[in-house]
Amino acid sequence: DIQMTQSPSSLSASVGDRVTITCRASQSISSYLNWYEQKPGKAPKLLIYAASSLQSGVPSRFSGSGSGTDFTLTISSLQPEDFATYYCQQSYNMPLTFGGGTKVEIK
Amino acid sequence: EVQLVESGGGLVKPGGSLRLSCAASGFTFSNAWMSWVRQAPGKGLEWVGRIKTKSDGGTTEYAAPVKGRFTISRDDSKDTLYLQMNSLKTEDTAVYYCTTHSSTWLKYWGQGTLVTVSS
Repeated sequence: DIQMTQSPSSLSASVGDRVTITCRASQSISSYLNWYEQKPGKAPKLLIYAASSLQSGVPSRFSGSGSGTDFTLTISSLQPEDFATYYCQQSYNMPLTFGGGTKVEIK
Repeated sequence: EVQLVESGGGLVKPGGSLRLSCAASGFTFSNAWMSWVRQAPGKGLEWVGRIKTKSDGGTTEYAAPVKGRFTISRDDSKDTLYLQMNSLKTEDTAVYYCTTHSSTWLKYWGQGTLVTVSS
């Protein structure tokens, strides 16, 4: 199975900050990497697919980059509604696997 | 508008069985590959299994922890996805989400249903 490792596991940031979350795959997954946002008590929501494509309706302050084993989710200017947990997920092969999550908290 | 509504969760004793349902609307269900994903309390997301469309063979794949105990099926006439869970263990306690596949990503998610396995 492909292991997905996210860092950091949590971070504190202020509104307006630039935030970067990293996801590393245990083997090359090309660009088969997706990002999800989850708020407490809610279902996950797709943000970025295929490493860098923004899902329709997602604000442009979110961006994704990377290929192979190293990927990044960037929030260019953190907004109050962005405080949530973010997960990466590989879809290169089965079983689908998720990173452990990064909780973004208010500083 | 795409809607996925899970039901069937509840409290069950270890070794027991439960069947979850996911009612789909707002898209052509028979054309969609579907997955179940679960989340234990306070933990991260874990993929459970997937079913392809009948036109793609209707085949299923499962995560190792549930293989041989869980079965995914679909009824395209009812636009409904199922997860039959047998020989339940305490570690199966989680919120279970149904999701749609769009190419290689999980595009739409239901609100989830809680399964608690406890004596």
